Amino acid sequence: DSGVTQTPKHLITATGQRVTLRCSPRSGDLSVYWYQQSLDQGLQFLIQYYNGEERAKGNILERFSAQQFPDLHSELNLSSLELGDSALYFCASSTPISGGYEQYFGPGTRLTVT
Amino acid sequence: AQTVTQSQPEMSVQEAETVTLSCTYDTSENNYYLFWYKQPPSRQMILVIRQEAYKQQNATENRFSVNFQKAAKSFSLKISDSQLGDTAMYFCARNFGNEKLTFGTGTRLTIIP
Repeated sequence: DSGVTQTPKHLITATGQRVTLRCSPRSGDLSVYWYQQSLDQGLQFLIQYYNGEERAKGNILERFSAQQFPDLHSELNLSSLELGDSALYFCASSTPISGGYEQYFGPGTRLTVT
Repeated sequence: AQTVTQSQPEMSVQEAETVTLSCTYDTSENNYYLFWYKQPPSRQMILVIRQEAYKQQNATENRFSVNFQKAAKSFSLKISDSQLGDTAMYFCARNFGNEKLTFGTGTRLTIIP
């Protein structure tokens, strides 16, 4: 168990809909990262938050948005869903306290858009 | 583009044997961090081992060790005494500290009983 939690585990929805994925980082971790893993694209970085502030953006579509709340949990909002958004969405957290920058991953949310 | 390359899409090895997975990367930075992650059929991403680029000593975690060649930009993972539970996708990854991970495309490893 990495200590990172994600809900829900599975999500099935229709095209055009909006969903929210939730992530709680490990206790004490300030950084939260979102990654998308699809069959043909591998693991792609979407966005990073650090202590409530957006820190970096990757290949995140304009239909997607995220935020990190004062208690450090994060939500990824996906709207106007398309079939191609079907993927496994991971949240990871880290903190450089120990001098290392390893990221610990949650179990992922499997999104299926029909 | 600063990339991470895994040139072996699939590998298989007999149980109890040793296997080495290859990874090369491209960067102009001097300080960075390298990782191997394991993704078993459950799809969970599990950190296997990490290596700081400023450290010359190769990292070791039980049966897992790395061969880090900084000049060659190579970071291979050696699994000794392989076990059935080692069957998984293995991803090599790199970051520059408190930043995103850049992943390779993965190597699917099968341990044969």
